[in-house]
Amino acid sequence: GQNIDQPTEMTATEGAIVQINCTYQTSGFNGLFWYQQHAGEAPTFLSYNVLDGLEEKGRFSSFLSRSKGYSYLLLKELQMKDSASYLCAVDIYNFNKFYFGSGTKLNVKP
Amino acid sequence: DGGITQSPKYLFRKEGQNVTLSCEQNLNHDAMYWYRQDPGQGLRLIYYSQIVNDFQKGDIAEGYSVSREKKESFPLTVTSAQKNPTAFYLCASRPSWQEGTTDEQFFGPGTRLTVL
Repeated sequence: GQNIDQPTEMTATEGAIVQINCTYQTSGFNGLFWYQQHAGEAPTFLSYNVLDGLEEKGRFSSFLSRSKGYSYLLLKELQMKDSASYLCAVDIYNFNKFYFGSGTKLNVKP
Repeated sequence: DGGITQSPKYLFRKEGQNVTLSCEQNLNHDAMYWYRQDPGQGLRLIYYSQIVNDFQKGDIAEGYSVSREKKESFPLTVTSAQKNPTAFYLCASRPSWQEGTTDEQFFGPGTRLTVL
């Protein structure tokens, strides 16, 4: 089966840096996606990794190690609006479907 | 503007009734998906369709049915056989169903279904 793990909840301070980890055990890996979801809203796409290494997009960066089945999302210069859930999703090759982790709820405090 | 629409945003039904959730996209995407999300949980795949007139079961298809008669539409019916239907339902689409695609899934705003 497919298994994707993320911490349930994290708290960080405005202006700080936070790292949200995701580990996975899946078959047919075709890439890993990070989404942000505010309460009661749809997920919105943040970043994508298919090769090992770091991808940077403004205040957000995502890292992937395929050999370790590990990814992280790095959020810099945290803002209050970054309080949301962050979902890690693995794209399964040959099936064109994603498996989602349970999400990490990030609380940003002043 | 291109996007995915789901209607209604909130839906209330009595136990034992079937209900159909609408999902329409004008992005010309091949693949469409239905997910269920329970409080504090991630997304679980109900059904997905890679092309018109074809669809596959996801991980939690029991008690649900779908159709894909048109490229832009993928309605989900929650039947009375679904034991715990109260949840947040999200529809998504993706440009291509071909192997190796790197496109993300785009999500609609969701429908919150409450069964009384």
